Amino acid sequence: DAKTTQPPSMDCAEGRAANLPCNHSTISGNEYVYWYRQIHSQGPQYIIHGLKNNETNEMASLIITEDRKSSTLILPHATLRDTAVYYCNVRVARGDSGNTPLVFGKGTRLSVIA
Amino acid sequence: DAGVIQSPRHEVTEMGQEVTLRCKPISGHDYLFWYRQTMMRGLELLIYFNNNVPIDDSGMPEDRFSAKMPNASFSTLKIQPSEPRDSAVYFCASSLRGYNTEAFFGQGTRLTVV
Repeated sequence: DAKTTQPPSMDCAEGRAANLPCNHSTISGNEYVYWYRQIHSQGPQYIIHGLKNNETNEMASLIITEDRKSSTLILPHATLRDTAVYYCNVRVARGDSGNTPLVFGKGTRLSVIA
Repeated sequence: DAGVIQSPRHEVTEMGQEVTLRCKPISGHDYLFWYRQTMMRGLELLIYFNNNVPIDDSGMPEDRFSAKMPNASFSTLKIQPSEPRDSAVYFCASSLRGYNTEAFFGQGTRLTVV
């Protein structure tokens, strides 16, 4: 079962920041937070991941609370093409001995409105 | 690299027939995952491989489902006999070994069993 909780849907005006929350209150010390999105009919696409520090890349920013029990994915300037289902996952990191697969919950359906 | 390649993209078959889905992972990736997506159950992990060896097949719904990875560049998911409730989109994903890696998904195979 997924270890994360997300709101089922959100709306965002085009050009505004989209802030997608995720609760992972049972996260363990060796688990990373991963975000993926799925645009209609396509395979899930990796966005960003982090352990405890905030992370930023060309797509988004990830803010993880100090206790690591929740995080927020920020799309700074949402466009219509960002309309998708966004999944927050936690994934155990086992160092070089391997990793564990992603377990997906229901995600948040983000609708960007013109 | 062309990414994870799945074939066919669409498959329509009659109940009782054998169905074989194919996946070519990204070259050099150690892990391969098979997922199934339906409206009711979302994205479910079926099975995953590490270095061509099945690690966890607990997500395979029934004995009618089987998966193989004969070499590092090819995997199959077979359903025999197929049933209407197997209708879904099947995704294959691959990733590198290591604790800080992302999974790349293929475009999926949409299976319809009539």
